[in-house]
Amino acid sequence: GESVGLHLPTLSVQEGDNSIINCAYSNSASDYFIWYKQESGKGPQFIIDIRSNMDKRQGQRVTVLLNKTVKHLSLQIAATQPGDSAVYFCAENSRSSNTGKLIFGQGTTLQVKP
Amino acid sequence: EPEVTQTPSHQVTQMGQEVILRCVPISNHLYFYWYRQILGQKVEFLVSFYNNEISEKSEIFDDQFSVERPDGSNFTLKIRSTKLEDSAMYFCASKEMANTEAFFGQGTRLTVV
Repeated sequence: GESVGLHLPTLSVQEGDNSIINCAYSNSASDYFIWYKQESGKGPQFIIDIRSNMDKRQGQRVTVLLNKTVKHLSLQIAATQPGDSAVYFCAENSRSSNTGKLIFGQGTTLQVKP
Repeated sequence: EPEVTQTPSHQVTQMGQEVILRCVPISNHLYFYWYRQILGQKVEFLVSFYNNEISEKSEIFDDQFSVERPDGSNFTLKIRSTKLEDSAMYFCASKEMANTEAFFGQGTRLTVV
């Protein structure tokens, strides 16, 4: 079946440190992955995406790494700020479905300590 | 910046009543979705809609659920006879193409009492 999972439910970091949030997926046919940030009471907000023909993609203060060999995805946030506190979800755009539906992982809560 | 808008932000309804959740997707997007998030849990896919018809639905999307795009801008989710377990945040999302990022609305918090 299809599933996307995150390793840790909660991650606590000091302001200014780097954060790494991990995600594992089980469907080797998955070819498009997205990281979303969800603040309390709000909808998921797109952060960064990566396709299976890449192993690394960088944005502003964020980097996504994809290891297809072990089916692992990570989100790195540089110089974490209090505004980064939120729940982070990885999601898979299922290639087995051509409708573009997303399959979400459980989410990791990032807590940034001042 | 274009955004997906949802109304109402919060809906309280009695068990057995019908509710309609409304969404206005981003105007040039072609793919529309409803997702559900029970408090503290992950976001779950309900249904996808393309070319004026349902393209895929999950096991959650049973006969009590329906979707419509009644005009060129609105996209609605109807729950015919709500149950207590329907209480959740409901998110509408839209995409320009199937394999691009989805843009989510702020959600409607549905509380069934």
